[in-house]
Amino acid sequence: GESVGLHLPTLSVQEGDNSIINCAYSNSASDYFIWYKQESGKGPQFIIDIRSNMDKRQGQRVTVLLNKTVKHLSLQIAATQPGDSAVYFCAEIRYGQNFVFGPGTRLSVLP
Amino acid sequence: GAGVSQSPSNKVTEKGKDVELRCDPISGHTALYWYRQRLGQGLEFLIYFQGNSAPDKSGLPSDRFSAERTGESVSTLTIQRTQQEDSAVYLCASSLGLAGGLERDTQYFGPGTRLTVL
Repeated sequence: GESVGLHLPTLSVQEGDNSIINCAYSNSASDYFIWYKQESGKGPQFIIDIRSNMDKRQGQRVTVLLNKTVKHLSLQIAATQPGDSAVYFCAEIRYGQNFVFGPGTRLSVLP
Repeated sequence: GAGVSQSPSNKVTEKGKDVELRCDPISGHTALYWYRQRLGQGLEFLIYFQGNSAPDKSGLPSDRFSAERTGESVSTLTIQRTQQEDSAVYLCASSLGLAGGLERDTQYFGPGTRLTVL
């Protein structure tokens, strides 16, 4: 299940299950959204992006959904694997301005 | 303001020339990141500095790219013998840092440097 830890929300899933990581963004004028994955001690890795004129985009084992009405973004990971354990964070971007990554969600994959 | 600043904002150079891009992070931020964004594409991670630890250079695309950071302050990204494929927006971000290397915190980005290689 999902719980709020001391620093980051944490999502624990069984290996093989699907994961859904959620993100609320703040700026309705944001042009572009990105999901990143960051493993401990490493820099972030781009996973998938979506433009504000889309509501769904699929990649390899991942799907991003954008609901502009409620300013909500989600990342779905199919058949979660141990290697998916990491912190996932979304970023909202408005071109020409500083943009900010959210604090992230820690995904723990249980054997 | 107190945000991340980058200079220059725009740089046009000729193929084969070296360029140096500068990033001034938010004061007190121990972590600093460089990213590249090509037109119409997502952010590509280049390099990550965290305090006095060895930087994570795993994203640098070739040995023409290098970056340095002096203590916990300014960073410079250097591209030698620029190629047209290097044309992109180069973004720097900083954050408070990773407590014990386990937590992520919010990154604040600068406005970027738009590099055009002719």
